[in-house]
Amino acid sequence: DIQMTQSPASLSASLGETVSIECLASEDIYNNLAWYQQKPGKSPQFLIYYASSLQDGVPSRFSGSGSGTQYSLKINSLESEDAATYFCLQDSEYPWTFGGGTKLELK
Amino acid sequence: QVTLKESGPGILQPSQTLSLTCTFSGFSLSTYGMGVGWIRQPSGKGLEWLANIWWDDDKYYNPSLKNRLTISKDTSNNQAFLKITNVDTADTATYYCARLNYYSGAHWFAYWGQGTLVTVSS
Repeated sequence: DIQMTQSPASLSASLGETVSIECLASEDIYNNLAWYQQKPGKSPQFLIYYASSLQDGVPSRFSGSGSGTQYSLKINSLESEDAATYFCLQDSEYPWTFGGGTKLELK
Repeated sequence: QVTLKESGPGILQPSQTLSLTCTFSGFSLSTYGMGVGWIRQPSGKGLEWLANIWWDDDKYYNPSLKNRLTISKDTSNNQAFLKITNVDTADTATYYCARLNYYSGAHWFAYWGQGTLVTVSS
């Protein structure tokens, strides 16, 4: 199985700041990576597919990048509504595997 | 508008079979590129992918559940199903169904249901 190591597990940032969340795959996943946002008590919401393609309606302050085994989600100009837990998911090979999640707190 | 809603027993006893239903609207599981997946999340923990079923009836399972899973669909009634046999307390979680998109080799869970909490307890 492909292991997805997500970091950091949590981070705290201020409004207006820029943050990055990383996902490291145990082998090449050929950009087959998606990002999801989950707010407390809610179901996950889809943000990005194929590493860098933004879902319609997702604010442009979200961006994804990476290749091979290393991928990142960047959030520019943090807003209060961005407080959430973020997960990556590799869909390169079955079984699909999620990263452990990053809890983003706004100061 | 795409919506999905999960339904399940709420609570069941160890060794029983968990039957989950995902009732959806706004798409058809007979359309090329469409699929439904099941994902679960124990309280306060991360997400675990369980199974996918595609428009062409291709099915994929997480082998970590050791052949306990069966996914199926009823295209006419816009439903997908997941059965998990021989449950134990470790299967206590919120279970989500989600619509899958497939395009040019990429797949993603585009829409998620609200989730249904399943508790396994004697």
